Parts: sequence; C-alpha cells; structure tokens
Amino acid sequence: QKEVEQDPGPLSVPEGAIVSLNCTYSNSAFQYFMWYRQYSRKGPELLMYTYSSGNKEDGRFTAQVDKSSKYISLFIRDSQPSDSATYLCAMSVNAGNMLTFGGGTRLMVKP
Amino acid sequence: DTGVSQNPRHKITKRGQNVTFRCDPISEHNRLYWYRQTLGQGPEFLTYFQNEAQLEKSRLLSDRFSAERPKGSFSTLEIQRTEQGDSAMYLCASTPRKGENIQYFGAGTRLSVL
Repeated sequence: QKEVEQDPGPLSVPEGAIVSLNCTYSNSAFQYFMWYRQYSRKGPELLMYTYSSGNKEDGRFTAQVDKSSKYISLFIRDSQPSDSATYLCAMSVNAGNMLTFGGGTRLMVKP
Repeated sequence: DTGVSQNPRHKITKRGQNVTFRCDPISEHNRLYWYRQTLGQGPEFLTYFQNEAQLEKSRLLSDRFSAERPKGSFSTLEIQRTEQGDSAMYLCASTPRKGENIQYFGAGTRLSVL
C-alpha cells in the first residue's frame, strides 16, 4: 500500500462547479501538506501549502488538513476550463525534506 | 526566466547507452532535489543536495544512477546502461534555504529508452 493515496480520476465537471479533491495518508509523522497542479508535459506548480491541521484559503482554492483522520482536501470554487490539469497532493515530515506525492487526480472542466 | 531550468527537455536513447541530464536551480537556492515520474503516477523522490553535499538517496537510485552538484550550483543526473524501465520524466526542484519547504519544479527531462 502506498503512503499517500489519491483517486486517479478522471474527474469531469461542468464549468462553475465546486471541485473536491482528496488524499489519504498512512504516515502520522507528516506535518507539511501541499497541493501541486501539473499541466500535461509540464513540471508541478505549487498551489497551496499548509502546516499541520486546519484550513487555508487563497482565491478560489481552499485546502483542508485533518491530521486525526489522515485526510487532506483541496476545494476549487467556480471551476474554469483552465483548471483542467492533474492535481497532486504532497507531504513531508520535516521542512526541506523529500516530498511524498500521491498519484494525482486528473481534472477536466468542461465549458 | 529565473525558474528551474532542465536540459534536455526530451532525450531518446537506445537500451544500454548512458545519458546525462542537467538541472540549473533558481539562483541562490541551496537545496536541489531530483524526482522521477512515470506516466499516470506522482513524482517519486530520488535524491537531494544541500549545496554540494548529497544528503539523502532513495532506494530507487540504483548503482546505475549517479548525481552530482560539484560547486553547489547546477546538478547532473547520469544513468548508465539504460533500461526500458528507466523511461520516465526526471524532475528537478529547488528550495531557497534549509528549513524552507516550498519546492519549485522545473519542466523536467523526458527520457525514452528504446
């Protein structure tokens, strides 16, 4: 079993929908949680960064971390076709250490 | 463009050949990371450097793989005697300083082993 599990999708939604993306993990030592967006044939681009449990909002994006359940989420409000990409969750035990990624969820937002 | 730069973007090679990739991190970033990403999967950690010191290596980094960062600036990743299973995207990332956790990724080098 992988340390970080993520539904691969694809997830197809109409433009304007609220999107919910999730990851579960098994290593309780993870403290730092990130969401990256990756367009086809490009490198991952950081979207959200959270330390420990709690919520963080940035524009249309909200990240939630529930360490007691080992569950993290990314919500995208008013989704746009330009949001169509693969979304990767990533986490680390200590700052500056290696990141452990989920397998990614492919999102398609249809006009 | 002052982002992480990786060259070449795409490399096609025959099985058994050696290949070398280069990564130029963002200026003055002292931590540099290598990851491998296969189709439909998330990136997997290979190794990382603090300046010129290689601090950690994954078990994925077999003895055919070697990475260097000779002067603490750019880094190279060499794969000797390539195998078809080495076909993947090789990603490089950098962070500004120890304790900083945001890793900035390059566009990657896509390796195809025929």
